[in-house]
Amino acid sequence: DGGITQSPKYLFRKEGQNVTLSCEQNLNHDAMYWYRQDPGQGLRLIYYSQIVNDFQKGDIAEGYSVSREKKESFPLTVTSAQKNPTAFYLCASSIHQGQPQHFGDGTRLSIL
Amino acid sequence: GESVGLHLPTLSVQEGDNSIINCAYSNSASDYFIWYKQESGKGPQFIIDIRSNMDKRQGQRVTVLLNKTVKHLSLQIAATQPGDSAVYFCAEFYGGSQGNLIFGKGTKLSVKP
Repeated sequence: DGGITQSPKYLFRKEGQNVTLSCEQNLNHDAMYWYRQDPGQGLRLIYYSQIVNDFQKGDIAEGYSVSREKKESFPLTVTSAQKNPTAFYLCASSIHQGQPQHFGDGTRLSIL
Repeated sequence: GESVGLHLPTLSVQEGDNSIINCAYSNSASDYFIWYKQESGKGPQFIIDIRSNMDKRQGQRVTVLLNKTVKHLSLQIAATQPGDSAVYFCAEFYGGSQGNLIFGKGTKLSVKP
């Protein structure tokens, strides 16, 4: 089955800790994206990558970092610099930028 | 602020009725629009899309209408079913190969049996 897999489904972060959210896709898509969703809000773009070894900041990149070493994988690190990390994080991919995005089922991050 | 928004944050309909979810966009250069459905605890699911050179596009039980004059987008769901209960987002895209999707805040659709 082709799709996007995000893990873990739930994640807890302690103060001052960095945590990494996993996103893997087997759709052979070039472009991948990370969004943050707060309650009752739409999706806000954190980072995106159009191709392996390249990525750009989205609208709310501060306190986050990403890497794109493999086409299939686009992990997101929520650093201790992100002061309000509690949110639902969604990863997406598309064949190319500007094409429909397909989403994973998200990771819910909370603070301990 | 949001460049894509929705007129109604919540919509409640009776099972079997038709649903209409509205969306306003502010960027006249947007050339591609997508409707997504998000069920609780899950990621958004693609429903239907439309490009700016079209006014209407139909899928299975869903129709998207685009009015570029007033920058308005709507999603019509025929014979709404309990399984249609979810939050619906419209998203606009502009910027060609360098652009990104901009999402509205969403409308919560509740279907009463």
